[in-house]
Order: sequence, then C-alpha cells, then structure tokens
Amino acid sequence: DIQMTQSPSSLSASVGDRVTITCRASQGISNYLAWLQQKPGKAPKSLIYGASSLQSGVPSKFNGSGSGTDFTLTISSLQPEDFATYYCQQYGGSPLTFGGGTKVEIK
Amino acid sequence: QVQLVQSGAEVKKPGASVKVSCKTFGYTFTGHYMHWVRQAPGQGLEWMGWINPNTGDTKYVENFQGRVTMTRDTSISTAYMELSRLTSDDTAVYFCARDPQRGKPIRMRTGVYWGQGTLVTVSS
Repeated sequence: DIQMTQSPSSLSASVGDRVTITCRASQGISNYLAWLQQKPGKAPKSLIYGASSLQSGVPSKFNGSGSGTDFTLTISSLQPEDFATYYCQQYGGSPLTFGGGTKVEIK
Repeated sequence: QVQLVQSGAEVKKPGASVKVSCKTFGYTFTGHYMHWVRQAPGQGLEWMGWINPNTGDTKYVENFQGRVTMTRDTSISTAYMELSRLTSDDTAVYFCARDPQRGKPIRMRTGVYWGQGTLVTVSS
C-alpha cells in the first residue's frame, strides 16, 4: 500500500496568514493526489484533484502543487471558515489511502 | 441536484453485523462507482472499497476481506455496506462517496459528493 505522510499534524495560524501543508507519498503517484477539507461532524469536502486542479466552486486561495512523491497545499489569506482538518488522498494506486490529516487551528 | 443520504446511527453489540444504506438522488445511479470510507472517533479517513452499481462488482480493502459486503438495489438507487463480526475497533462514522467519473473510472477516487455519514457504535 502507498503510505501518505502529512506534515505538520497540526498548526496554529491567524486570520490572514498563509499556510502550507505538505504530503509525501511512499512511492511515485504522478499527479493522482487530492486534497480534502473536513470540519467537525461533517463529511469531507473535495478541494483539489489531480494535485493542482481546483474543484468547481472552491476559492482560488487554495493552491495545490507537486508531482511524483511530494505535494503541497497552500492556503493564502486564511479566513475563519478555513479552520478545519485537511487530508491528502492518493489515487495513483490501490487501495486509495489518505494522509493522517493536518488540523489548522486559530492562534 | 446530486445527493447521497445515508441511514441513521446504529448501536451494535460485539459480534453483530450492521448494514448502512446510501440512497442517491439527482443522477443515474448505475453510472458512477460508489466508494465507502470510514473514520474512527478523532482519527483519519480509511477507504474500505467500492461497488460498481451497474454490475454489482466490488473491490474491498484487504483488511476488511471476509467481513464487508457491498451491495446495491438499482430499483431504489441505493448502495449498501454491511460489516460483520463487529468489534469495538469498528466504532466509526461510515461515509459513502460517489466516484466523479462516469462509467469505469480510469483512476478511482472519491469526489465531490459524499453522504452525511452514519455513526456505528459497537458496545457491549
């Protein structure tokens, strides 16, 4: 199975900050990587697929990049609604696997 | 619009089975694979497998082989996930999630449309 390692596992940031979350795959997955956002008690929400393609309706302050084994999600100008847990998900191999999550909290 | 509506919370005893439903609206049910994902309390996401609602073909994660059964009823556009021989480790929220690609996906993935989740609690 392809292991997905996310870092950091949590971070504190202020409104207006730019934050970066990284995800590393245990083997190359080309660009078959998605980023999801989850708020407490809710289903995950798909933000990005194909490593850098923004899902329809997702604001452009979310930016994904990377290919192969190393990927990044950047959120520019953090807003109150962005405080949540973010997961990466690889779909380059079976089974689908997720990173452990990054909890973005208010400083 | 597309909606996935799951059945309500369940409380089960160890050793029992649970069957969670995922009723779909707003699209051709047989046109998209359905995934099941679970999340233990305070933990991350774990993919369990998929079902092709058109043919009934399934693929399960090895960890759940022999305990999970995914089925569907095309007449009511509903997918099901049944998990047997439950233990406390199976206490989790179970989600259905539609694959975004129509037909057989080139690359399977969960997409935009998820059910609201079903909490299954296993306790004696």
